[in-house]
Amino acid sequence: SQKIEQNSEALNIQEGKTATLTCNYTNYSPAYLQWYRQDPGRGPVFLLLIRENEKEKRKERLKVTFDTTLKQSLFHITASQPADSATYLCALDFGGYQKVTFGTGTKLQVIP
Amino acid sequence: GAGVSQTPSNKVTEKGKYVELRCDPISGHTALYWYRQSLGQGPEFLIYFQGTGAADDSGLPNDRFFAVRPEGSVSTLKIQRTERGDSAMYLCASSSIQGAISGANVLTFGAGSRLTVL
Repeated sequence: SQKIEQNSEALNIQEGKTATLTCNYTNYSPAYLQWYRQDPGRGPVFLLLIRENEKEKRKERLKVTFDTTLKQSLFHITASQPADSATYLCALDFGGYQKVTFGTGTKLQVIP
Repeated sequence: GAGVSQTPSNKVTEKGKYVELRCDPISGHTALYWYRQSLGQGPEFLIYFQGTGAADDSGLPNDRFFAVRPEGSVSTLKIQRTERGDSAMYLCASSSIQGAISGANVLTFGAGSRLTVL
C-alpha cells in the first residue's frame, strides 16, 4: 500500500532562516502533490500544490519541488517567522475522483 | 455556507454508546471527505463521497462506522458501540475538482469534531 513519510521529529529553526520539510512516498507518483498547514485544534489549510510534470512551484515565501524519480517533495519557507510555526502536511492527490492521502506531518517551530 | 461546518465541536460519550457527527460542506462542492486524526498523526482517510454515493469507503475501520450523504450536501458520520480507541478528532473536508483539465482535489476542512469515549 502507498506510504507517505514526513520528518517525524519536530524541526526547530531560527527566525529569518529557510525551513526545509521533506515528503517521501512509495509506489505510484500522484498527479498532484499538495501541502497543507495545520494549527493546533484546527483543520488543515491548503497552501499550494505542484503537478507531477512541474519541478518547482513558488508562492510568496513558499517554494515546493517535486521529483518523481526520487519520489520526493521538498517544501521550503524562506525568511521564516514565528507565525510560520505549525504542523505541515503533505498529501498525495491522484486527481479526478480519487481520495487524497496525507502524510503524518512535520511540526515546525520558528524561534525568535 | 462560507466554510465547512462541523457539529458538535466536542462530544464526550461513554463506551458502547452511539454517536453521530455532522458535516455541512461548502455550497456547491460535490466531493466530501471524512478523516480521523489522532494526536501527533496525520489525517487518516475514512470515506469519500462524490454526490450522494460513497466513491471510496476503504478507510472505514470496521462495520461500526457508517456515513451517509442522502441529498448530496450534508453528511453524517455514525459510530455504533463506541470504543475508547475511537477517541480522536474527526475532520470533514469538501472540494470542487478544479476544472476538467487539472482535476486536482483541493480540500477545505472544517474545524473538526473531537470525540472522547470514556
